[in-house]
Amino acid sequence: GEDVEQSLFLSVREGDSSVINCTYTDSSSTYLYWYKQEPGAGLQLLTYIFSNMDMKQDQRLTVLLNKKDKHLSLRIADTQTGDSAIYFCAESLTDSWGKLQFGAGTQVVVTP
Amino acid sequence: EAGVAQSPRYKIIEKRQSVAFWCNPISGHATLYWYQQILGQGPKLLIQFQNNGVVDDSQLPKDRFSAERLKGVDSTLKIQPAKLEDSAVYLCASSPPSNDEQYFGPGTRLTVT
Repeated sequence: GEDVEQSLFLSVREGDSSVINCTYTDSSSTYLYWYKQEPGAGLQLLTYIFSNMDMKQDQRLTVLLNKKDKHLSLRIADTQTGDSAIYFCAESLTDSWGKLQFGAGTQVVVTP
Repeated sequence: EAGVAQSPRYKIIEKRQSVAFWCNPISGHATLYWYQQILGQGPKLLIQFQNNGVVDDSQLPKDRFSAERLKGVDSTLKIQPAKLEDSAVYLCASSPPSNDEQYFGPGTRLTVT
């Protein structure tokens, strides 16, 4: 199974907030990332957080990092239908520069 | 700025046949990655190049997969012979010298029948 774990599915109403959760394994990870993948497309980097930060906000996106519990979350405010996609959490592995370990992805479905 | 280009976008082959994928990274990006994404899973790194040298190929099934980046720019990934379990999307990504941010191409969807 995946070392980075995510819930598989999230349904949310348009206009509500979405929260996607992730747990990772490498306590020494330098960066943690959130990617978005729309059908038939590659991965789009949404945001990332450096491991010495607790929170990062970028417009509608808020990333929270709990290093003690190795827990990462992505909050999307005012979720829109265009936010429907698969969201991947990824950690950078300290034993290999640039190497990312991805979770299996959370499919987010936004309903009108 | 042009993104990461990949071709073909789709390929259907029979098992035991050979196939090759091509990737052109973003201009100036020294690091190039090939990932395999099986349906329902996250991408798994196959091989990482720094310029034309291999940094990590620990997850590459070397009995059937090969990859090269001869001039430090474009890269090809080859599977010979293909197996049914190779059906997946093959993603190429690149990152600039200054950081680890990876930019992904649209991928090649391979179906092995």
